Amino acid sequence: EAGVTQSPTHLIKTRGQQATLRCSPISGHTSVYWYQQALGLGLQFLLWYDEGEERNRGNFPPRFSGRQFPNYSSELNVNALELEDSALYLCASSLWGARDGYTFGSGTRLTVV
Amino acid sequence: QKEVEQDPGPLSVPEGAIVSLNCTYSNSAFQYFMWYRQYSRKGPELLMYTYSSGNKEDGRFTAQVDKSSKYISLFIRDSQPSDSATYLCAMIGGGSNYKLTFGKGTLLTVNP
Repeated sequence: EAGVTQSPTHLIKTRGQQATLRCSPISGHTSVYWYQQALGLGLQFLLWYDEGEERNRGNFPPRFSGRQFPNYSSELNVNALELEDSALYLCASSLWGARDGYTFGSGTRLTVV
Repeated sequence: QKEVEQDPGPLSVPEGAIVSLNCTYSNSAFQYFMWYRQYSRKGPELLMYTYSSGNKEDGRFTAQVDKSSKYISLFIRDSQPSDSATYLCAMIGGGSNYKLTFGKGTLLTVNP
């Protein structure tokens, strides 16, 4: 069974540009979560999608947005990139309820220069 | 006060040592508790999850939860160099909020 896949693996953008990150969940999982892992800050919750709807949002500015498609894959968009957006962006998926935890992808390393 | 506190370490032990990793939390709504392991440049992988207070064992790993003290632990017996990684505690509340809240992680190095 394929795990959670994220693309691209690495992304280099210039300050002010937009970045699009993609995630495909495990087959059968309807919930997709996005986390930011910046150096020294741990995993910070960004967004949770389930059945195509945004269910919860972390304490991030509106330039962080996303969506979930009918096949449950998801996209994270970051507009007006700032240097401090440089981080590992992790996507995870779960069944509804997440009582047995999330399965994470390997992440997209975003570097803003 | 942060919802989840975890000592970031780093923690360095010799091979074969017993390792104890700990987290405290302040939100009494947390009901499900997990430990993840993250190798460098990889996504976290789930090691253990538990619901009730008490111990849960899986091979060399034991997860312990004390809800009355809001304290969880992960013990690693006979530690191996391959256990060298960052260990993250995570917890999730009741109701319909399925967001996992993570500790900052403890960096563990097991020296051969």
